Amino acid sequence: DIQMTQSPSTLSASVGDRVTITCRASQIINSWLAWYQQKPGKAPKLLIYDASSLESGVPSRFSGSGSGTGFTLTISSLQPDDFATYYCQQYNSYPSTFGQGTKVEIK
Amino acid sequence: QVQLVESGGGVVQPGRSLRLSCAASGFAFSSYGMHWVRQAPGKGLEWVAVISYDGRDEYYADSVTGRFTISRDNSNNTLYLQTNSLRAEDTAVYYCAKEERILGATSLDCWGQGTLVTVSP
Repeated sequence: DIQMTQSPSTLSASVGDRVTITCRASQIINSWLAWYQQKPGKAPKLLIYDASSLESGVPSRFSGSGSGTGFTLTISSLQPDDFATYYCQQYNSYPSTFGQGTKVEIK
Repeated sequence: QVQLVESGGGVVQPGRSLRLSCAASGFAFSSYGMHWVRQAPGKGLEWVAVISYDGRDEYYADSVTGRFTISRDNSNNTLYLQTNSLRAEDTAVYYCAKEERILGATSLDCWGQGTLVTVSP
């Protein structure tokens, strides 16, 4: 199975900060990677698919990059609504796997 | 609009079974693969299973293989997850999710609100 490792596990930041979250795969997954945002008590929301494609309706301050085994999610200017937990997911092969999550907290 | 509504969760004793359902609407259900993803209390997301659009192909996480079965009824736009031999570690909110694309590798673009399964004596 492909292991997905996110870093950091927790990130403290302020409104307006540029935030970067990293996801590393244990095997090459090409660009078959998605990023999700989850708020407490809610279902995950798709932000980025195919490593760098922005899902419809998602603000342009979110961007994704990478291929192979290394990927990043960047929030260019953190907004109050962005404080949440973020997960990466590989869908290169089954079983699909998620990273352990990165919680973005208010500094 | 796309809507996924899970049901069937509850409190169940270890070793017993439960069938979860996911009612889909607002899209061509029979054209999309569907997934189950779960989340234990206070923990991260864990992918559970997937079924192809026509029900011919299924894949499972190692943790549920041999105990859980995913299925679908395209005539009634409903996805199922039969969970057998439940264990305490199966306690989680179970989400159904729709694939974003009809063909090929794909992310999950729509999720239900989840149904809670609690396995307890």
